[in-house]
Amino acid sequence: DVKVTQSSRYLVKRTGEKVFLECVQDMDHENMFWYRQDPGLGLRLIYFSYDVKMKEKGDIPEGYSVSREKKERFSLILESASTNQTSMYLCASSPPRGALHFGNGTRLTVT
Amino acid sequence: AQTVTQSQPEMSVQEAETVTLSCTYDTSESDYYLFWYKQPPSRQMILVIRQEAYKQQNATENRFSVNFQKAAKSFSLKISDSQLGDAAMYFCAYRSPLTGNQFYFGTGTSLTVIP
Repeated sequence: DVKVTQSSRYLVKRTGEKVFLECVQDMDHENMFWYRQDPGLGLRLIYFSYDVKMKEKGDIPEGYSVSREKKERFSLILESASTNQTSMYLCASSPPRGALHFGNGTRLTVT
Repeated sequence: AQTVTQSQPEMSVQEAETVTLSCTYDTSESDYYLFWYKQPPSRQMILVIRQEAYKQQNATENRFSVNFQKAAKSFSLKISDSQLGDAAMYFCAYRSPLTGNQFYFGTGTSLTVIP
């Protein structure tokens, strides 16, 4: 079974802090994704990566950046956290033509 | 961009009964993939079933089956013999092999199972 691991289930940060959300997958998938999930808005794509050091902006990249130095790891960075970034963050990976496999999610609260 | 619409924000079903969740999508492509995901209160997104557009046969996985109507751009999920553990948010998703690697999600249907 594919395993996608997100480093934290719950995270509380202060406004202005730099925040790192880490995601690791163990199935050698080329593609990795970061989504944000908010009630009533469904899943919105922040960034995705189709190869090491490659990244593409999704629908809502503002205020976020990503890093993919190794194939198995995809990090989401909030350069200066703001309260409107309080949300559920979901990481996922997939093979080229297959389904998404999700991590357990990180619920981030910015105070 | 492709759009995916789930017109039922909430549904309920009696335990052991059958329920159908609706999903429609908008695309001009002929080759694509469709998925249903389940998200229980634990928040883990779980793949329920997938369908390749080039396959005419509807996918089934145990109590879960789909009604894929390509011309109508409809992809409904049928859950038979509903169980309490089926209570969750269900998301329909579309993947295009052409527009990079993007997935497009509906806004979800919250399913309640009544004992």
